[in-house]
Amino acid sequence: AQSVTQLDSQVPVFEEAPVELRCNYSSSVSVYLFWYVQYPNQGLQLLLKYLSGSTLVKGINGFEAEFNKSQTSFHLRKPSVHISDTAEYFCAVSDRSGGSNYKLTFGKGTLLTVNP
Amino acid sequence: EADIYQTPRYLVIGTGKKITLECSQTMGHDKMYWYQQDPGMELHLIHYSYGVNSTEKGDLSSESTVSRIRTEHFPLTLESARPSHTSQYLCASRGQGGETQYFGPGTRLLVL
Repeated sequence: AQSVTQLDSQVPVFEEAPVELRCNYSSSVSVYLFWYVQYPNQGLQLLLKYLSGSTLVKGINGFEAEFNKSQTSFHLRKPSVHISDTAEYFCAVSDRSGGSNYKLTFGKGTLLTVNP
Repeated sequence: EADIYQTPRYLVIGTGKKITLECSQTMGHDKMYWYQQDPGMELHLIHYSYGVNSTEKGDLSSESTVSRIRTEHFPLTLESARPSHTSQYLCASRGQGGETQYFGPGTRLLVL
């Protein structure tokens, strides 16, 4: 079984400031890692994913995340945020071996609010 | 960009009514999923399907039912809606051999 902890439920920042959204996971097996973004009244959009290879993963909209196996973390970062980045961000994991058929386990989400 | 559609986007209905939430995808994906999301909370898997005529219950118990008669279509039905069913319902799909789930825009359900 897996679990995902997003350490901050809300993160307010000013426009053009850097931001880090934290995600830790727990799993007895190797996992794939994902970040999804949900804009108001919309579904989830994939931001980026870690499958294998380089631990630094770049996604859409200037976001990146780093997989740290020893700390079981997958924190999301952006060097300079825009008002349009205001949204809910979800971290998720799935079993790499295909156990549970790649079902996703989600964190509770982090609401990023970018203020002018 | 994934092509997965959900209708209606918003639904307000009275207690006791039967409702069906529609989900369709045009990608030929064999795996499809339904999640329930309450405000400020994580998504919980309530149903999934690995292909036509295959359906399974998810991690969160739900009074809803699903069917998978066609690959592209995965509707969710509530026989008798109650206020406790008020939530957002998100549909997702995943292709064979793929590890990424793609989500629809969701249906916000309000049961009065």
